[in-house]
Amino acid sequence: DGGITQSPKYLFRKEGQNVTLSCEQNLNHDAMYWYRQDPGQGLRLIYYSQIVNDFQKGDIAEGYSVSREKKESFPLTVTSAQKNPTAFYLCASSIGRSKSGLADTEAFFGQGTRLTVV
Amino acid sequence: AQSVSQHNHHVILSEAASLELGCNYSYGGTVNLFWYVQYPGQHLQLLLKYFSGDPLVKGIKGFEAEFIKSKFSFNLRKPSVQWSDTAEYFCAVNTGGFKTIFGAGTRLFVKA
Repeated sequence: DGGITQSPKYLFRKEGQNVTLSCEQNLNHDAMYWYRQDPGQGLRLIYYSQIVNDFQKGDIAEGYSVSREKKESFPLTVTSAQKNPTAFYLCASSIGRSKSGLADTEAFFGQGTRLTVV
Repeated sequence: AQSVSQHNHHVILSEAASLELGCNYSYGGTVNLFWYVQYPGQHLQLLLKYFSGDPLVKGIKGFEAEFIKSKFSFNLRKPSVQWSDTAEYFCAVNTGGFKTIFGAGTRLFVKA
């Protein structure tokens, strides 16, 4: 089945440690995204990537880093610089550009990773 | 700054009641509009979308939404809700690039 796989589902880390969240897609999508979901705040964009080896900061990129070495993979590292890392993290992908050249941003989401920093 | 407002954070309805969830956005140009739904324990998934054309859009499971450009609104409706519609609903707006802004979400609980 085509889809987006995030792992692990639950993650616990000690304060001050970096942690990397995995996101893999087999939809052949060019664009990938990381969102953070907090109660009452909806989804906030952390980073996005339109194509391999390219990525841009979203609204809340501070304390996070990403890489996009392969089309299928877009891992997110939560660094010790992130002041409030405990949250639910969602990865998503979209086709990227439609045949007409317009941005096609209908997103397909993974099941999420719940990160708890203690 | 661009933003998306969802009017209600929590809605409780009885089965067969009609549903309307409000969504307003702040952006004066061309937009792509989405409603996503997150059922308990499941992925966030697309309910319906508007890119262009008929402003009344029909989605899955009997949902529809109407884009009213003059009101910057994209309200979600369903004539008769079911217990299985219990979920969290997110309105989202894309203004042409790859950055999509989501509303805070509305939790709907349908009483059987």
